Amino acid sequence: KQEVTQIPAALSVPEGENLVLNCSFTDSAIYNLQWFRQDPGKGLTSLLLIQSSQREQTSGRLNASLDKSSGRSTLYIAASQPGDSATYLCAVRQSNAGNMLTFGGGTRLMVKP
Amino acid sequence: GAVVSQHPSWVICKSGTSVKIECRSLDFQATTMFWYRQFPKQSLMLMATSNEGSKATYEQGVEKDKFLINHASLTLSTLTVTSAHPEDSSFYICSAGLAGRDTGELFFGEGSRLTVL
Repeated sequence: KQEVTQIPAALSVPEGENLVLNCSFTDSAIYNLQWFRQDPGKGLTSLLLIQSSQREQTSGRLNASLDKSSGRSTLYIAASQPGDSATYLCAVRQSNAGNMLTFGGGTRLMVKP
Repeated sequence: GAVVSQHPSWVICKSGTSVKIECRSLDFQATTMFWYRQFPKQSLMLMATSNEGSKATYEQGVEKDKFLINHASLTLSTLTVTSAHPEDSSFYICSAGLAGRDTGELFFGEGSRLTVL
């Protein structure tokens, strides 16, 4: 059974810092990995999708990397802003599990002005 | 990206009543939709996989008679919480993928917060 872990569970940083969120998974036979953002009381917004054959994806100040063999992904946020404050979730899709995603516990990020 | 809409966003009901939550894919067709439940400060827990035109597949521990799922069309799935009780109070989120073009990306609705008094 796939297990996804995110470290740290919570993070508070001053504005402007570059930061890294970590995601690890136990079963490396994944189809893809997706990073989401969730604001309090809201649904999920897809940030980046990395296919199993890819090493990284970039969107603006966000960069996500994937090392499938070691079961790790990182989300790098450059020059953090207060508007980046949210919970960040990573989720993996297994190769043989249809579209089902397995989620990590999330990292609650607060960026202080 | 594709848009998934949920309705209602908020619902408060008395214990014992049934509540229906709708999940619609607005600009794409989805053969499969997923229903998740999220407790405060916790991650999403998959409840069931909803397949268009067939019975839903429920995760272990989820009562299928309690949480009725119907996926009658390629753009609509509904979750009905039957005889709701306070312990059913939670945030329910649906997601859908693109039928016929499997990039593997899933899109999520805004969620529906259920409070049972």
